[in-house]
Amino acid sequence: DTEVTQTPKHLVMGMTNKKSLKCEQHMGHRAMYWYKQKAKKPPELMFVYSYEKLSINESVPSRFSPECPNSSLLNLHLHALQPEDSALYLCASSQVSRNTEAFFGQGTRLTVV
Amino acid sequence: AQKITQTQPGMFVQEKEAVTLDCTYDTSDPSYGLFWYKQPSSGEMIFLIYQGSYDQQNATEGRYSLNFQKARKSANLVISASQLGDSAMYFCAMREYFQGAQKLVFGQGTRLTINP
Repeated sequence: DTEVTQTPKHLVMGMTNKKSLKCEQHMGHRAMYWYKQKAKKPPELMFVYSYEKLSINESVPSRFSPECPNSSLLNLHLHALQPEDSALYLCASSQVSRNTEAFFGQGTRLTVV
Repeated sequence: AQKITQTQPGMFVQEKEAVTLDCTYDTSDPSYGLFWYKQPSSGEMIFLIYQGSYDQQNATEGRYSLNFQKARKSANLVISASQLGDSAMYFCAMREYFQGAQKLVFGQGTRLTINP
């Protein structure tokens, strides 16, 4: 099983809403990532978890709150987002060891209205 | 900091022709890995091929091969016998290590269109 599953696939939310994006993998990977991708741009890293601990936060605004409840799950909690936060949010996982490929989910297309 | 450069914003190729997508990189880390990903319009990032800095031979995976020229710091993706389903965005990426964790740094991407 080389799948990373993201839910939901599409999400429309108002600026006052609270929502969560979910990501799940069963490959035994201990590194998990959130990326944000705007149209016609490459993915930009938001957060990295290694062994269920937050290792990298790329100066992401606090309206995005990541959570890693266990080694298979990664959540991204959203609150008070802005229209410019509309993007494709990609989750990925990999082994922690050097230079192994990361597997990506299909992403959540988020629209903030 | 590492840097990945893809200089071809878009490429148009006839079906069944071979195509080369360019990627150059810059890093001070002697141990590094280079990756190519394909992103169809559906959005998912599909891993294609990996080349390690100490690998003696160029990586190959089916119709994909990587033309790795270490001295030139280039890692071009070659797709042989292109198919209509190869039309997608292609990203070159490098793994960077920071504060005990690793992150993938992407180039700007090349949009490949295969014409029938």
